[in-house]
Formats: sequence, structure tokens, C-alpha cells
Amino acid sequence: AQSVTQPDIHITVSEGASLELRCNYSYGATPYLFWYVQSPGQGLQLLLKYFSGDTLVQGIKGFEAEFKRSQSSFNLRKPSVHWSDAAEYFCAVGAVSGNKLVFGAGTILRVKS
Amino acid sequence: DAGVTQSPTHLIKTRGQQVTLRCSPKSGHDTVSWYQQALGQGPQFIFQYYEEEERQRGNFPDRFSGHQFPNYSSELNVNALLLGDSALYLCASSPRASDPDTQYFGPGTRLTVL
Repeated sequence: AQSVTQPDIHITVSEGASLELRCNYSYGATPYLFWYVQSPGQGLQLLLKYFSGDTLVQGIKGFEAEFKRSQSSFNLRKPSVHWSDAAEYFCAVGAVSGNKLVFGAGTILRVKS
Repeated sequence: DAGVTQSPTHLIKTRGQQVTLRCSPKSGHDTVSWYQQALGQGPQFIFQYYEEEERQRGNFPDRFSGHQFPNYSSELNVNALLLGDSALYLCASSPRASDPDTQYFGPGTRLTVL
């Protein structure tokens, strides 16, 4: 069965600084990988996804993520954080197309001015 | 184009009661999945409906049941509520044929069990 680990519960960065949120997954084959963002009181919004091909994927709001098979990682990055990026971020893995998603516990991002 | 909608927004119930949550998928989407998100945790998969049948099920007891209607909308029913059922319940939809892996989530229903 697949699983996801997000090692950082909270991260605080200064506005304008770069950001990297870590995600490690466990799955025997090539997984389907996703990053979602959740603002307080809101549902989840898809930032980006990886299925195959180029291991660096671009998403919305200036986010990108890199799939590293050797490290079983799919870290989310943004070169310059804006105050509006403060939210909770979830990494998720799916085993088969159209299958259920398994989510990590989330990382809460705080942005200080 | 309306996205995924869920009703009600909030709900308060007492232990032992039954509850029904509703979800209308995004236009053009035929697959609906339900997730439970407890406070401070990531969403956990409950089950998925397609063509009015339960296709996949997560590790949830039979107290959790669902239904999908011909118009693709869906209901989640929980019987004999426990305090531990307090959570945000999220509905997600996707178009199975064209893009089965991109799930669009609704805002959720916050269930509080007293």
C-alpha cells in the first residue's frame, strides 16, 4: 500500500524568500503524485501533478515540483513566496489511474512580512 | 461553470444519530469520491462512486455508506454517529474518461458530533 510522509508540520518563511516543502512517498511502482493547497475553511485546490515524463513539473501560482525516483521524493518549490501563499499544503499519491488518493498529514506554511 | 458543491456547510449532531451529506460534482464529471479530514490530519479516502456503484472503499466501517444518482450527484450517510466522526467531509469529482486523475474538491461539510 502506498503512503506519504511530509516531515515538516510547520514552516515559516519571509515574504519574498524561496520555499521548499518536502514530500516522501512509499510505493513500489511509478506513482501518480500531487500537491494540493488548502486555505482555512476551504476545500483542496490542485497545484500540480506528475504522472510520467519530465520530472520537473510546473503548476499554478508559480509553484513547481521535482520527482526524484532515487529519493522517493516529490518536493514542492517556489522561488519567491507571497503573503497569500500562507495555507496548508498536502502531498498525495495515487497508485493507479483514477484510483483513490493517499494524503500526507500536511505542512502549514506561515509567511512573515 | 459551478465547481463541486456540498451541503450543508456545517452540521451538528449527537452521538447515535444519523447524518446525510450531499455533493454535486463539477459539470461534466461522472466520478465522485468522498474523504474524511479530521482536525490536523490529511484527508482519508472513504469511497468512490462511478455509474451509481461503489467502485473502491477505504478502511471505514459499514456505518459509512453512500449513493450516486443518475445525475452523478452523491450522498454520504453515516449511521450511529460517534464522537470520532467529527471531521470535515470532502467530496471530489473527476471525469473518468478524459481526466480521471485530476480530482476537484468541494469546500466540505464540517460535521460536529456532540
